[in-house]
Amino acid sequence: SQQGEEDPQALSIQEGENATMNCSYKTSINNLQWYRQNSGRGLVHLILIRSNEREKHSGRLRVTLDTSKKSSSLLITASRAADTASYFCATDSYGGATNKLIFGTGTLLAVQP
Amino acid sequence: EPEVTQTPSHQVTQMGQEVILRCVPISNHLYFYWYRQILGQKVEFLVSFYNNEISEKSEIFDDQFSVERPDGSNFTLKIRSTKLEDSAMYFCASSVMGTLQETQYFGPGTRLLVL
Repeated sequence: SQQGEEDPQALSIQEGENATMNCSYKTSINNLQWYRQNSGRGLVHLILIRSNEREKHSGRLRVTLDTSKKSSSLLITASRAADTASYFCATDSYGGATNKLIFGTGTLLAVQP
Repeated sequence: EPEVTQTPSHQVTQMGQEVILRCVPISNHLYFYWYRQILGQKVEFLVSFYNNEISEKSEIFDDQFSVERPDGSNFTLKIRSTKLEDSAMYFCASSVMGTLQETQYFGPGTRLLVL
């Protein structure tokens, strides 16, 4: 698999339910970020978690990071129809010259009203 | 809240034509980036730029591509002779310092269609 792969590829839930998306990566990282993309639109930054952090919260979002398993999860609690979007994890390039981001394949989340 | 802006939102061009995509990064940011996303595929890094020079570029960023900061606010991506496979959404991003634990803020993108 490639650096930054999310699963599931697609997820459909009812409003009010929780949505969990996972991301796996291959190489060492300094940080991992999650972005949201509404259909055909720009990337909105959601949360950044550093390699020495295990869990981080922001509003209805909870992100975990397990560097030993090279994986992260994004949990959206009490989902809303407006959360319908694609969600991407992005890792930095450890030891790279600059902070270029390597994006995953994304999870398409559909929240049914 | 400050935002990265991009113009145009959509551009249609003929193969072989030159296009210039424009971006206005967040005003106090020093590092600028271009990414692209071919329809249905991953977002891919193209180039990073700092202090008026390219810091890093990917294999995609060949001689047909160039970047410039023509003034204190704009950051442009030029494709000299477009190919069909250049059709994609192009995102500009910026960050304050470009350090390894820092958020990059993305613009809304320019959708380029090469015919």
